[in-house]
Amino acid sequence: NAGVTQTPKFQVLKTGQSMTLQCAQDMNHNSMYWYRQDPGMGLRLIYYSASEGTTDKGEVPNGYNVSRLNKREFSLRLESAAPSQTSVYFCASSEAHGGANGYTFGSGTRLTVV
Amino acid sequence: AQKITQTQPGMFVQEKEAVTLDCTYDTSDPSYGLFWYKQPSSGEMIFLIYQGSYDQQNATEGRYSLNFQKARKSANLVISASQLGDSAMYFCAMREPRGGSTLGRLYFGRGTQLTVWP
Repeated sequence: NAGVTQTPKFQVLKTGQSMTLQCAQDMNHNSMYWYRQDPGMGLRLIYYSASEGTTDKGEVPNGYNVSRLNKREFSLRLESAAPSQTSVYFCASSEAHGGANGYTFGSGTRLTVV
Repeated sequence: AQKITQTQPGMFVQEKEAVTLDCTYDTSDPSYGLFWYKQPSSGEMIFLIYQGSYDQQNATEGRYSLNFQKARKSANLVISASQLGDSAMYFCAMREPRGGSTLGRLYFGRGTQLTVWP
């Protein structure tokens, strides 16, 4: 099915470990996003990419890095995981202006840092 | 300041009744879009409905309608004839251009947990 694919779905890390969350979309969307969801906080934007080769910070970028590898793929890296990064991470994509067709979200990655 | 405010942490409605989920937003930009998403317990984000700031009519999608009151900066979701499967978390979100770019960043509210009872 067309859409946004995130891997892995679940991950447990020890404090200080690093990992990369992968995201790929097959809808030929220009824009891609990484959000985190914490209880009672809604979704908050970590990083976004307007097009291949460009990335920019969102509301909560500290502790994360991203790479827009090509038009399809947008990865999120935690260099040194902290318990405060325990969260559910969503990748999303949209057409350039994110208009009426909305945004397509991946199924999420549940990350626990112990 | 919060760009999207959802003041109802939880709502309860009986099956077949209508329910309104509140959402207010804050922006000084004349061009923006408003979205509602549903998140069931399985966790995925499901797009429900969209309203553009220049749309004259309220958006409708099946049992969902968006009560758009621009002057009050309000974008309430109305679900008619509630079903048990409507039990979920509902998020209001806003897209606005930033600094001339129409990148389309989405800002989310904190959500409303809707419970439909038989």
